Amino acid sequence: GENVEQHPSTLSVQEGDSAVIKCTYSDSASNYFPWYKQELGKRPQLIIDIRSNVGEKKDQRIAVTLNKTAKHFSLHITETQPEDSAVYFCAARVSGNTGKLIFGQGTTLQVKP
Amino acid sequence: GAGVSQSPSNKVTEKGKDVELRCDPISGHTALYWYRQSLGQGLEFLIYFQGNSAPDKSGLPSDRFSAERTGGSVSTLTIQRTQQEDSAVYLCASKTPGVQYQPQHFGDGTRLSIL
Repeated sequence: GENVEQHPSTLSVQEGDSAVIKCTYSDSASNYFPWYKQELGKRPQLIIDIRSNVGEKKDQRIAVTLNKTAKHFSLHITETQPEDSAVYFCAARVSGNTGKLIFGQGTTLQVKP
Repeated sequence: GAGVSQSPSNKVTEKGKDVELRCDPISGHTALYWYRQSLGQGLEFLIYFQGNSAPDKSGLPSDRFSAERTGGSVSTLTIQRTQQEDSAVYLCASKTPGVQYQPQHFGDGTRLSIL
């Protein structure tokens, strides 16, 4: 079945450094890849997404890259700040009409002041 | 309302009891999804509604789990004869219909604890 693998499971960086989280997906027909940020005890919030016809998308300090051939996509956060500390989830939209998302297992990012 | 609303926010119950979790999606969002998030884990898909019908129930873990949606709006997820392994956060999400790349918007979830 469809699967999304996410690495690393935990990531600790110093404030100001960059953070990179990587995901691979199994369904070659997946065409939409959102990233969600979940702070402790709160709802997942969409932070950026990318469609399969685009290789890269940026929004201020956040960027996502997609390699369709390799079925990889990555989240890049530059100039990290303590408020970036949270759990980040990647997801892939499965083929078909349901809009169903398959999520990775999450990455706990800790930004040390 | 402004966002997806779920109730109760927390539910503690004894093993063997039935529980009902409620989701009120964003107005106009006909697509609705239920997910389960166990401690320290990712989001596990349970069921998808389009309007009042559920074309994808493939994630429901057993026949103790069921869900319904009425009026194309509120959805309830029912767990019968709860077991300790049912303890998790149950999240609901909704989405604009018919637009392929629109994101899912999540509620705050119901934290379910089975004693």
